[in-house]
Amino acid sequence: QVQLQESGPGLVKPSQTLSLTCTVSGGSINSGGYYWSWIRQHPGKGLEWIGSVYSSGSTYYNPSLKSRITISADTPQNEFSLKMTSVTAADTAVYYCGRAEYSYTVDYWGQGALVTVSS
Amino acid sequence: QSALTQPASVSGSPGQSITISCTGTSNDIGFYNFVSWYQQHPGKAPKLIIFEVSHRPSGVSDRFSASKSGNTASLTISRLQTDDEADYFCSSYTTSSTPAFGGGTYVTVL
Repeated sequence: QVQLQESGPGLVKPSQTLSLTCTVSGGSINSGGYYWSWIRQHPGKGLEWIGSVYSSGSTYYNPSLKSRITISADTPQNEFSLKMTSVTAADTAVYYCGRAEYSYTVDYWGQGALVTVSS
Repeated sequence: QSALTQPASVSGSPGQSITISCTGTSNDIGFYNFVSWYQQHPGKAPKLIIFEVSHRPSGVSDRFSASKSGNTASLTISRLQTDDEADYFCSSYTTSSTPAFGGGTYVTVL
């Protein structure tokens, strides 16, 4: 059973960088042909795909966020990470990590991490 | 504004059936059979309940069924139960090689 767990600061100041890590257990992130993904949900709103890192290391980003995000994988630690620069209050959301297949169907989700952008 | 359009809310009584629609375009739902549905209880992570238009993952109740016609996908919950009260999100792969999500539909069990 694959399990994912997000970790990182819950409060980030405006203009700073948001950093989150997703630790995966029960499966290796560099095998199986999965897209290890970040998805966020603004308070009371729908879901927004942020981007993914493929098991080969290739990355795929939401065009609307591409200029501000970097997703990377640390295979020895079986983790992948999200960095988002120049955050504003509009980036306040619950951030989920998940495992997705090639169609971006997410079959395993982390529990979510609330990140608030505020001074 | 979400890429896929869902009604904000749907309600039904226990034992009834309800259907949630998800409308996209010929660049997503109308092009691919990669429509997924997720159930999300308050304060919890989403849970996959339908993939590839109409397939249920192991362990998901057969009270959940789904289909697609043209640019619109639909999720039907039969024999409605109180535990079905939750948000439901649709998702589709798109011709931009990215996923699109709906804004979510809250199901109320009266």
